[in-house]
Parts: sequence; structure tokens; C-alpha cells
Amino acid sequence: IVLTQSPGTLSLSPGQRATLSCRASQSVSSTSLAWHQQKPGQAPRLLMYGASTRATGIPDRFNGSGSGTDFTLTITRLEPEDFAVYYCQQSRTFGQGTKVEIK
Amino acid sequence: QVQLHQWGAGLLKPSETLSLTCAVYGGSFSGYYWSWIRQSPGKGLEWIGEINPNGSTNYNPSLRSRVSFSVDSSKNQFSLNVRSVTAADTAVYFCARGRAARNYWYFYDVDVWGQGTTVTVSS
Repeated sequence: IVLTQSPGTLSLSPGQRATLSCRASQSVSSTSLAWHQQKPGQAPRLLMYGASTRATGIPDRFNGSGSGTDFTLTITRLEPEDFAVYYCQQSRTFGQGTKVEIK
Repeated sequence: QVQLHQWGAGLLKPSETLSLTCAVYGGSFSGYYWSWIRQSPGKGLEWIGEINPNGSTNYNPSLRSRVSFSVDSSKNQFSLNVRSVTAADTAVYFCARGRAARNYWYFYDVDVWGQGTTVTVSS
């Protein structure tokens, strides 16, 4: 299964809404769909699992949705600490990432 | 709170063996998929393999011939060896805790990551 994330880069301002897409090459179970956040020089950090469940300590401005082949991570109001690269994961496969940068 | 701490040599010559070890602190060692994942600019995040809760190993087919894992449950540690490295093995290597929802192997995700080790292969 190939995971394709779009866009490659998202340029937004603090306070704006971010919508990140992850598309699978074939239908997958949402149970194994996760999202990770990675900041420069750091390891990734689990944000969401089961497509829509926030990991421990993740603020509620992060929301995940989707099913089948199309999944979305939404950050409702970007905070300065949210500018990072986001990866989707389906079982043992990762997408190539979406960079959310400050406009 | 579970933490993973990893260590190992960061600079290797071609044909040498990459060896990394990861220690698990603050949580149970049983019931998880102890995994290795690497990240390179060219290939992104790549799952290398895992030691499953039964102690069996699963490897990425692209690396299976050169990779081996070991585990020391008494120390809550697991290790990665990659033989005959080349420049293509240059990457940041992460140990990670994998888990499987409903105990189904396919419903796997990673919930805890090690800090990462930069490995460079150069003559």
C-alpha cells in the first residue's frame, strides 16, 4: 500500500486552519491509520491513532477523520508550536509527509 | 511514562556492521512490537522490522538478508544489526514501540519513539 500525502507544503499563518490529506492506494482499515508530528531534530510524536483518536496529551485543536482510502488531519487554529512535518502511517507504511510552515 | 533511549556507533565504513541498542524505561516490555524505523531524505520513514510479543521477528523484505534483531528481556533492551552497510544505509535510525489494536498484527501503529541515532556510512 502506498500513502500519498498532500500538499507537500502548506504555508499558513498562526490562527489559521490546516487541512492535511493522506490517500491510500487501496482501501485500508481506519483502525491502523495514525498521524505523527515531527519537529526539526526530533523524533516523530504520535498525534492520532485509529484515524480519529487523539493520543495522550494532544490538544483538541487536532482532529482526524476519514475512511477507506481518504484520511484527513485538521488543525483548527494553528499555534506557533504546530509548525512541523506531519506523517500519516498505515500499519507498517508511512506517507512522505506534509510540511506546515509559517507564511 | 514510557521512554526509549537508544545508542550505537554513528559513523561506519562500507561493509561494516551497524549495531544499535534501545532500552525501554517506565513501562512493560511484554505485549508490544519492538520496532526499528529509519528516516532518510530519499526514502522518508521506512519500517525496518520488529520483534513481536511472541518473540518472533518480522523484517522488511528489502532488508531481510542483512538485518537481525535481538532482545534482552532481563534488561528491557532490544538491538538492531545491519550487515554490510553501504551509503544507502545512511539515515536516522529510530527504535519504537509498536502496538496492535485488538491484538491483530495488521492493526499496527507506533506510539512511542526513541530519540534517534544518526548513522553515516562513508569511506
